[in-house]
Amino acid sequence: EAQVTQNPRYLITVTGKKLTVTCSQNMNHEYMSWYRQDPGLGLRQIYYSMNVEATDKGDVPEGYKVSRKEKRNFPLILESPSPNQTSLYFCASSWASGVYNEQFFGPGTRLTVL
Amino acid sequence: SQQGEEDPQALSIQEGENATMNCSYKTSINNLQWYRQNSGRGLVHLILIRSNEREKHSGRLRVTLDTSKKSSSLLITASRAADTASYFCATDASSGGYNKLIFGAGTRLAVHP
Repeated sequence: EAQVTQNPRYLITVTGKKLTVTCSQNMNHEYMSWYRQDPGLGLRQIYYSMNVEATDKGDVPEGYKVSRKEKRNFPLILESPSPNQTSLYFCASSWASGVYNEQFFGPGTRLTVL
Repeated sequence: SQQGEEDPQALSIQEGENATMNCSYKTSINNLQWYRQNSGRGLVHLILIRSNEREKHSGRLRVTLDTSKKSSSLLITASRAADTASYFCATDASSGGYNKLIFGAGTRLAVHP
């Protein structure tokens, strides 16, 4: 089944404790992206990747890191989480180019930073 | 501010009625997409309309696009309780073959039995 998976689905942590949220897709998509969703703000892009070893900042990259060592995986790293990073996070993937660029979303990771 | 902004923010209707949601955007686009999100879950792609298209249908969904007004509408006909969800428009204004979607804040639709 074509899908994007994220782990963990729920995470409660404390300020400053490094964490990683994993994302994996099985559709051989070149493009992968991380979003955060906050009430009233819709989805805001954190980082994206056009292909292996090609990552770039989105609209709200501060406090986050990503890596793309393999095509299928795109982990999101919070080196020193802070309470303002409490949010619902989504990973998405799609073909990198072309007119039809529907994005496939993971189920989400709800992060709480105390 | 966001590229796509939905209107209304919330909509409450009875089963069987039609639901119309609108989206306005600011810049030229390649295409506009509508997504659905059930509470707290991932977004699911519903329909894509290209900038040279004016109307598109998929089942009970009808999407229109007016590039002169920079607006789109999503119509759900004969709504069902299962249509209760948030609906987001997303605009693709990318150039050079790079895929970037900008999402609006969404419309929360409640369909009552």
